[in-house]
Amino acid sequence: DAGVIQSPRHEVTEMGQEVTLRCKPISGHNSLFWYRQTMMRGLELLIYFNNNVPIDDSGMPEDRFSAKMPNASFSTLKIQPSEPRDSAVYFCASSHPGQGAGELFFGEGSRLTVL
Amino acid sequence: GESVGLHLPTLSVQEGDNSIINCAYSNSASDYFIWYKQESGKGPQFIIDIRSNMDKRQGQRVTVLLNKTVKHLSLQIAATQPGDSAVYFCAEMRETSGSRLTFGEGTQLTVNP
Repeated sequence: DAGVIQSPRHEVTEMGQEVTLRCKPISGHNSLFWYRQTMMRGLELLIYFNNNVPIDDSGMPEDRFSAKMPNASFSTLKIQPSEPRDSAVYFCASSHPGQGAGELFFGEGSRLTVL
Repeated sequence: GESVGLHLPTLSVQEGDNSIINCAYSNSASDYFIWYKQESGKGPQFIIDIRSNMDKRQGQRVTVLLNKTVKHLSLQIAATQPGDSAVYFCAEMRETSGSRLTFGEGTQLTVNP
């Protein structure tokens, strides 16, 4: 059974470029989360969707960040324009209400480096 | 000036020993507390959760203890194995916020053979 699939696994880009990270949640899961992990700030929730609808985007740093979930099997996180301080590992996770409380299934992450 | 990253608490144990990883929390309104394990280069992996009205829950080789009086949570791993080496995060959740988790800073567990 495939887990959460993220792409790309690694991306190196230059400041000012647009970055798009992609996520395919586990089939049948109705909640999707985007987290960012850095040494300075740990794991931070950026945004989460329930049934493809954004529920809480209060963690999105600023207008340069946007996230979409056009259907139940795909989500994107876009950064435009990117800045060096956006360098981090971005995780996507999904969950289903029938699972244990707080049980999220994380992808392996997309490591972003902005030069 | 130069930025300094978080200095993760560390715990080093011998293979076969029991490990205890601690976490302090501040939000008395949390409904659940959860432990995650993150191996190098991978995403966090759910271990076990405990509802706030409980004080102990056991899983396979793991036990979570919750002390609401002092707002303290611990994860005990029995007979620690090299494969247990990872960063362990505690997290909290309120039912009114859906499945939104707030993670703590993590503890690096190293198991020596």
